[in-house]
Amino acid sequence: GQQVMQIPQYQHVQEGEDFTTYCNSSTTLSNIQWYKQRPGGHPVFLIQLVKSGEVKKQKRLTFQFGEAKKNSSLHITATQTTDVGTYFCAGPSPAGTYKYIFGTGTRLKVLA
Amino acid sequence: DGGITQSPKYLFRKEGQNVTLSCEQNLNHDAMYWYRQDPGQGLRLIYYSQIVNDFQKGDIAEGYSVSREKKESFPLTVTSAQKNPTAFYLCASGTAETQYFGPGTRLLVL
Repeated sequence: GQQVMQIPQYQHVQEGEDFTTYCNSSTTLSNIQWYKQRPGGHPVFLIQLVKSGEVKKQKRLTFQFGEAKKNSSLHITATQTTDVGTYFCAGPSPAGTYKYIFGTGTRLKVLA
Repeated sequence: DGGITQSPKYLFRKEGQNVTLSCEQNLNHDAMYWYRQDPGQGLRLIYYSQIVNDFQKGDIAEGYSVSREKKESFPLTVTSAQKNPTAFYLCASGTAETQYFGPGTRLLVL
C-alpha cells in the first residue's frame, strides 16, 4: 500500500540554525499538505501544495513540492523556540479524495 | 481549529468496558475522521466518513465503531475488543484541501 515517509525522525538544532524535513511518497500525489503539532497539542494545518515544482513561503518557512510530485520538503530559516514540535506531511490516498495518509513525522527540538 | 470540539479531554476505561468519545463540528464539513496517536508516533486512521450515514474503515478499525447520523457529529466507540486502547484520539473534519483537528481525547485504561 501507499507509504509516506519522513526524514529525519528527530532533529535537535541550536536556536538560529536552519532546519529541513523531507517527505517521500511511494506513489505520485495530487497534492501534499503539511501540519505542525506542538507538544501535547493537536495537528494544525500549515499549507497545501498542488503543482509540480511548487514553492510557497510563510515567513521563515519554505515549502517545496517535487517535480515528480512524489516528494516534498519544509525548510525553516533561523529556527526559534516557537518552532518546536512535530511536523507531518500528508498525501491523499488512491482509495479516495478525502482519505489522507500521514507521514511518520519529524520531531524538532530547538535549544536556546 | 476552532469549530471542532472533543469530549472528554481525559477518559478512563475499565476492563471489558465500552467507551464513547464525542466529536462535534460546526464548520459544515462533509468529511470527518478519527485518528489514533501513540506516544511519539504518527497518526493512524481509524475510520472516516465522507457523508452522513456512510463511513469507511481506516487502517486500524478493529475494536472500534462509529456512527454518522448527523453532519455535525461523528462519535467513536472504543469497544472491549480493543485490547490496547491507551492512546491519544484525534477527531478531524475537512475538505479535499485540508483537515481541521479537535483538541483530542486521552484514553487511559485502569
